[in-house]
Amino acid sequence: LAKTTQPISMDSYEGQEVNITCSHNNIATNDYITWYQQFPSQGPRFIIQGYKTKVTNEVASLFIPADRKSSTLSLPRVSLSDTAVYYCLVGDRVGGYNKLIFGAGTRLAVHP
Amino acid sequence: NAGVTQTPKFQVLKTGQSMTLQCAQDMNHEYMSWYRQDPGMGLRLIHYSVGAGITDQGEVPNGYNVSRSTTEDFPLRLLSAAPSQTSVYFCASSYSLHRTLNTGELFFGEGSRLTVL
Repeated sequence: LAKTTQPISMDSYEGQEVNITCSHNNIATNDYITWYQQFPSQGPRFIIQGYKTKVTNEVASLFIPADRKSSTLSLPRVSLSDTAVYYCLVGDRVGGYNKLIFGAGTRLAVHP
Repeated sequence: NAGVTQTPKFQVLKTGQSMTLQCAQDMNHEYMSWYRQDPGMGLRLIHYSVGAGITDQGEVPNGYNVSRSTTEDFPLRLLSAAPSQTSVYFCASSYSLHRTLNTGELFFGEGSRLTVL
């Protein structure tokens, strides 16, 4: 089972900031939190990864509170091209090895 | 660099046929995995490998076999295709995912679209 919970869908408008929150109550001490973006008919693409506090790159910011039980992906000033499915991942060590389980993701629709 | 290469991109099988989806990466990644994605759904982990000679099951391993004889290649074998295996299959690799460190960044191939009639 996926270790993360996200909203199924979100709507936004061009130019707005979008915040997608992911819950991961059972995150392990050594786990990083990683977000991916997927367009139709393509494989997911890495967006951002963090361990704690705040991480920012050229496309997004990731906010992680001190307890690390959730994280928020922030997309500044979205455009139509940001319409995609966004996945939040943490590791899953059931069985001894680390494996990455995708949840259902959040389907973001950006409107004109 | 080619990255992660999957072949074939499209395949149609009849029920009961077997086939192998190929996956190769040229990034010297230890970790490789196979996911399937049904229409409108998220990705489900089939099998994964943390290095040559080491494989393990994911969420939905039934009906699939894998092996990892080299670092570069991670083929996925369908033993006896069923219509329920109609899906898009993605191979992904990462530099290092082991017991104590999660780099998390997976590099995906373009996918292989399989239809089983």
